[in-house]
Amino acid sequence: GAVVSQHPSWVICKSGTSVKIECRSLDFQATTMFWYRQFPKQSLMLMATSNEGSKATYEQGVEKDKFLINHASLTLSTLTVTSAHPEDSSFYICSARGWAGIYEQYFGPGTRLTVT
Amino acid sequence: SQQGEEDPQALSIQEGENATMNCSYKTSINNLQWYRQNSGRGLVHLILIRSNEREKHSGRLRVTLDTSKKSSSLLITASRAADTASYFCATGEGANSKLTFGKGITLSVRP
Repeated sequence: GAVVSQHPSWVICKSGTSVKIECRSLDFQATTMFWYRQFPKQSLMLMATSNEGSKATYEQGVEKDKFLINHASLTLSTLTVTSAHPEDSSFYICSARGWAGIYEQYFGPGTRLTVT
Repeated sequence: SQQGEEDPQALSIQEGENATMNCSYKTSINNLQWYRQNSGRGLVHLILIRSNEREKHSGRLRVTLDTSKKSSSLLITASRAADTASYFCATGEGANSKLTFGKGITLSVRP
């Protein structure tokens, strides 16, 4: 149980275009979802926290107009990177937390974004 | 900002040996978790220890938590080549219990 999927697993896009990444909880209802980014050989940095049906809370330094997060249902959250630039190239990972545990987060497999 | 700081940054051991990794943090926490990440892949949750716990075991894993010293250790016994990966500690804090990750430790287990 507690499986989280991400789609796509990797994407290449041209500079200036927008890319949407989906995060789904497959067998539980995710009341809270988290989005992280990870640069090569570095740690995960939390970008934002989203609760179903409400606006996401962004970490300091993360542009909310550039990284649009929507958590419209209890099983789906999306991250849209708008007007992507090469410096947005990174590994984006989502995690989800359900009703049962307030501490446990279940991570998706990640999405590799390359902006050319 | 990163809270957890793992030590050492890289560790290379022979298969069968034990691997000990340490994590220190700075603020009050609700819990501390250890994760494994294989190169280019997602995170695998290893173990969670709550702030009122001192030690937990899971298979070949043993985690300790010392809240007075704000530190934790992860011990992997009888290591295997398949344990080769990056290991991260993450501290959970606040009402939302969001996680703050350390920089990670690269473990290499030589067959």
